[in-house]
Amino acid sequence: GENVEQHPSTLSVQEGDSAVIKCTYSDSASNYFPWYKQELGKRPQLIIDIRSNVGEKKDQRIAVTLNKTAKHFSLHITETQPEDSAVYFCARWRGTGFQKLVFGTGTRLLVSP
Amino acid sequence: EAQVTQNPRYLITVTGKKLTVTCSQNMNHEYMSWYRQDPGLGLRQIYYSMNVEVTDKGDVPEGYKVSRKEKRNFPLILESPSPNQTSLYFCASSWVENLSYNEQFFGPGTRLTVL
Repeated sequence: GENVEQHPSTLSVQEGDSAVIKCTYSDSASNYFPWYKQELGKRPQLIIDIRSNVGEKKDQRIAVTLNKTAKHFSLHITETQPEDSAVYFCARWRGTGFQKLVFGTGTRLLVSP
Repeated sequence: EAQVTQNPRYLITVTGKKLTVTCSQNMNHEYMSWYRQDPGLGLRQIYYSMNVEVTDKGDVPEGYKVSRKEKRNFPLILESPSPNQTSLYFCASSWVENLSYNEQFFGPGTRLTVL
C-alpha cells in the first residue's frame, strides 16, 4: 500500500516518438513526486519533479502530470533522442513528515535511431 | 564543487567482516539517506537522517547501522555482512525547507560484493 508501482518495466521507441511512463500509489499523504534518470553506470539524477498543488509541469521535452484523485503521475518525453536511453525512476515522499522517499522499480527506455 | 562523495567505490569482502562505507556532502544539507539498488527492485531506502543525531529506519534496515555525528557525514556500517547484502549502494542528501523536501543529490555509488 505504501509502494509505488511503475509501468512499463521496459519501453522501446523510435527516435522522434513520444514515451510515457506511469506510476501509481495508494497513500494519499504525499506531496512531492520526483523523477530520476539513471544512465548506465551512473548515479540517479533528478530530471523533473512536481508538487501536489499543481497538475502538470513542463521542462522542454519533458513533462510530468499528476492526478491526485486517481493517485497516479506520469512522465512524458516528446521527440525522443538516443541520449534519452536510460532507466527512469519515479518516486514519492511519504511518512508522517514526508521523511521517506519511495522509488518505483524503474523503466528501461531504449530509443533507437 | 557541490557534491556527495562515497568511499570506497568498490569493495569485495567476506561474510562476517565488519565494514563501513563513508558518505560526505559539502552542501550543508540537513537530510541524508542510504539506498541499495538491486536489479528489478529499484532503489530501496535503508536509513535516513533528518539532521545531526536524528536517524530513522527506511524500508530495508536489517543488517545495517548508521550514525550522524556531524552534519556532513553519514557512514553506513555493516557489522556482519552477509551475501544478501551484495548490492550497489547510494548515499544521497537534500535540503529541507519548511518541511518540504527537495531534490536528492546522489553520490557515485559503492558496489559491494560479500562472498
